Order: sequence, then C-alpha cells, then structure tokens
Amino acid sequence: QVQLQESGPGLVKPSQTLSLACTVSGGSISSGGYYWSWIRQHPGKGLEWIGCIYNSGSTDYNPSLKSRITISIDTSKKQFSLSLNSVTAADTAVYYCARGAFGSGSYYWGQGTLVTVSS
Amino acid sequence: EIVLTQSPGTLSLSPGDAATLSCRASQRVSSSSLAWYQQRPGQAPRLLIYGASRRAPGIPDRFSGSESGTDFTLTISRLEPEDFAVYYCQQYGRSPFAFGPGTKVDMK
Repeated sequence: QVQLQESGPGLVKPSQTLSLACTVSGGSISSGGYYWSWIRQHPGKGLEWIGCIYNSGSTDYNPSLKSRITISIDTSKKQFSLSLNSVTAADTAVYYCARGAFGSGSYYWGQGTLVTVSS
Repeated sequence: EIVLTQSPGTLSLSPGDAATLSCRASQRVSSSSLAWYQQRPGQAPRLLIYGASRRAPGIPDRFSGSESGTDFTLTISRLEPEDFAVYYCQQYGRSPFAFGPGTKVDMK
C-alpha cells in the first residue's frame, strides 16, 4: 500500500523559506507513469494546486506561485520536496503531497501538515 | 489556463436523496482528464472519479460521473450519512492542474 507522509516545520517566520518533504513508502518513487504533487488548503478554503514534479525531473508550477517555489525529488531518499520562499501570512495553510498517475488523477495523498507563517 | 467553476456552492439534502454536482471548464479538457474528490472535515481529499466517468478503486457505485463538452457532472444516487462532505473537481490534462472551488453537500 502506497503511503505518503509530509514533514517539516509547523511554524515559519515571515520572509523566510518554507521547506517541506514528502516521504513515499510502499511503492517506488522512480516508477514511470506518475507525477508527484503539492497542494495546499488555506484555513476553511478550497484546494490550491501548487505544482508537481515528474520522474524525468521536469516540473510544472502554479503560475501564481511560480516565482517563489521549487519542487525537487530525491529518489535515494524516496522523497520529493517543496520550497516556498518569501512567505507571508497568506501562505498559512495545510500542505498536502499526493501521487498522481497519468490519466488517473491523484489517488494517494498524505495526511497534510499545517504550516503557520507568523513571527 | 483552464478555470473550473462548480455549482451550486452548497447543496442541502437529506439522506437517501440524489445529489447532482456540476463542474464547468473554461476550455476543453483534454482526454477527459477530469477528476472528482471528496473531502470530509479534517481529512485529506479522496479520489472518487477520474477520466470524467471512471470510479476509483473502492468507490461505491452510487457515485457516477459524466461529461458533456466542457460540462462535467458528479451524481450521488442515494446519499449516505458519510457522503455529506465537500466535493472538488480537478482537471489534470494540462498544467496548471487547477481545482474547482468546491461544492458542499450538507444535511438539510
């Protein structure tokens, strides 16, 4: 059974960089046909797609966040990561990682981790 | 960039009722690459439907999806108590893989 688990600081100061990792277990992060996504949800709001990385290492980002985000993958650690710089209170949200399959949407999700931006 | 709109914003129904949720795309969604997710409070989203009409593994057959041009519909034939939740559509055919704003199905 594939499982994803987000990890990282729950509190980040304004103007700093938010860094999260998603560890994949029960399956290979190197297998073809998948993409690895980050999605966030502001408190009481809907889902916002942040971006994704493919096994090739290429990425797609939400245009509204593109200037501030980097998604990377470390197959040796079975992890992919999100880096969001210059954070403000507006970046306070629950951050989810997910595995998408080409043609099939995202079946596997992490439980989500709340990141609060505050001094 | 494809923008998804969902209607209604809230649907107030009773257990046993049928629910019809709509998702409209601003452009054609390639290869019917439209998914529906259910999110219960405090939980991660759960994939219900992919490819506009295919049920994900383990999803009861009371959930069905359909497509007509740029309009997509999620139908729940008979609401069970656990179906009262928020439902999101997402297109994953062309980046950015945006979500719709969601439809909340609450109990009347």
